[in-house]
Amino acid sequence: GAVVSQHPSRVICKSGTSVKIECRSLDFQATTMFWYRQFPKQSLMLMATSNEGSKATYEQGVEKDKFLINHASLTLSTLTVTSAHPEDSSFYICSARDSGGALRPLHFGNGTRLTVT
Amino acid sequence: DQQVKQNSPSLSVQEGRISILNCDYTNSMFDYFLWYKKYPAEGPTFLISISSIKDKNEDGRFTVFLNKSAKHLSLHIVPSQPGDSAVYFCAAISGTSYGKLTFGQGTILTVHP
Repeated sequence: GAVVSQHPSRVICKSGTSVKIECRSLDFQATTMFWYRQFPKQSLMLMATSNEGSKATYEQGVEKDKFLINHASLTLSTLTVTSAHPEDSSFYICSARDSGGALRPLHFGNGTRLTVT
Repeated sequence: DQQVKQNSPSLSVQEGRISILNCDYTNSMFDYFLWYKKYPAEGPTFLISISSIKDKNEDGRFTVFLNKSAKHLSLHIVPSQPGDSAVYFCAAISGTSYGKLTFGQGTILTVHP
């Protein structure tokens, strides 16, 4: 079945540095990928929709300059957390949908646990 | 504004019995609903879905029921197995949102042997 690979699975960084998270669709092409964030004991919250070859669409309240998204190819989207602060510590998950339309289930990566010290 | 709500943070069930996980939604534009299962340190895995034109969808031990008038859906697992222990998220899509999922908070299911 379709697989989405996310890397790294866990990262610890110092405050003020930037962290890049990669999301790859391994056996299908994904024109659209979604980035979610999960706080402890809370739901997955959509941060942005990543569109191949064009600008990402950010949800209300998500700083586009802080969370840079690049979807340079049909199999890779990256999320860069710039000038990270401790409040950015969270679980970030990407997802993608293979061809077939908007009702096809999303396939999720295994997530990235970011800890900013 | 929590448009999809799972009001039970946790559920404990004996092996072999039925597990019933509930989900309520407020947005009447939602027309497709999904259940995801999540283990710790892993991403959610798709389980089962239902379109708003149906009121029931069954797949093996898993059945999802949709009551549109009540804006309520439920996931039934029969019989429950210890391997079913995980966090279960319901999610919803509206036709105008191009596939953006709105998730509930999740319910932790524990199935005891």
